[in-house]
Amino acid sequence: KAGVTQTPRYLIKTRGQQVTLSCSPISGHRSVSWYQQTPGQGLQFLFEYFSETQRNKGNFPGRFSGRQFSNSRSEMNVSTLELGDSALYLCASSFSGSRSYEQYFGPGTRLTVT
Amino acid sequence: SQKIEQNSEALNIQEGKTATLTCNYTNYSPAYLQWYRQDPGRGPVFLLLIRENEKEKRKERLKVTFDTTLKQSLFHITASQPADSATYLCALKFDKLIFGTGTRLQVFP
Repeated sequence: KAGVTQTPRYLIKTRGQQVTLSCSPISGHRSVSWYQQTPGQGLQFLFEYFSETQRNKGNFPGRFSGRQFSNSRSEMNVSTLELGDSALYLCASSFSGSRSYEQYFGPGTRLTVT
Repeated sequence: SQKIEQNSEALNIQEGKTATLTCNYTNYSPAYLQWYRQDPGRGPVFLLLIRENEKEKRKERLKVTFDTTLKQSLFHITASQPADSATYLCALKFDKLIFGTGTRLQVFP
C-alpha cells in the first residue's frame, strides 16, 4: 500500500498570505488528522476529519481551517500567515473503525513564513 | 489541562544496552497510549499501542509498560543498536491524540 502523501513538501510564503496544504491518506483510511510541529511546542493537534466531517479540533485560531473530500483526501488552509506559523505540518491517517487507532504519518510540509 | 512529560534531555547509551524512556502524564488516564519514532525531517512512525487495561506490550526488541496508578509509561529497547538512534514520542488518546515533546535517543558503538 502507498503511504500517506503530502504536497507540497516545502513552501515559502510571505506574512499576510494564505496557504493550502494537501494530504492523501492511505487507501481505505477514512480518518485524517493534522498536526503542527515546532521545536519549542512539539506536535500540536490541529484537527481531525472523518467521512468529510470535522470530528475534533485543537486550540488554534480560526485562521487555521481544513476540509475532507469524499475520497478521504484532506486539505488544510492557513490564512493571513504569521511568522509564528513557520513549522512542519504533518498529516496522519488511520483506519478509525473498531480496530486500534494507529496513526500513519506523511512526510510533512515544511512551511516557512518570511 | 492534560500535560505529558518526556525527558527533554537526550539519552546516550552504548550499543547492546537497554534504553529506557519515560512518559509521565497528569490528571486523567487515557484510553490508550502510543509510542512513535521520528527521524530528522520525517513524520513519526507508529511503534506500539497499549490500552489502559494492559500492563505490558512487546514487539521484537521493544517493550512498553503502562502504570495508570503512577501515571507513567516506560518504553524499553533491548540490545540497542546505532540504528535505533532517533526521537521517541509518546502520545495519549483522550478526545484527541496528545503528543509529548519526545526524547532523543543516541546509541553509540
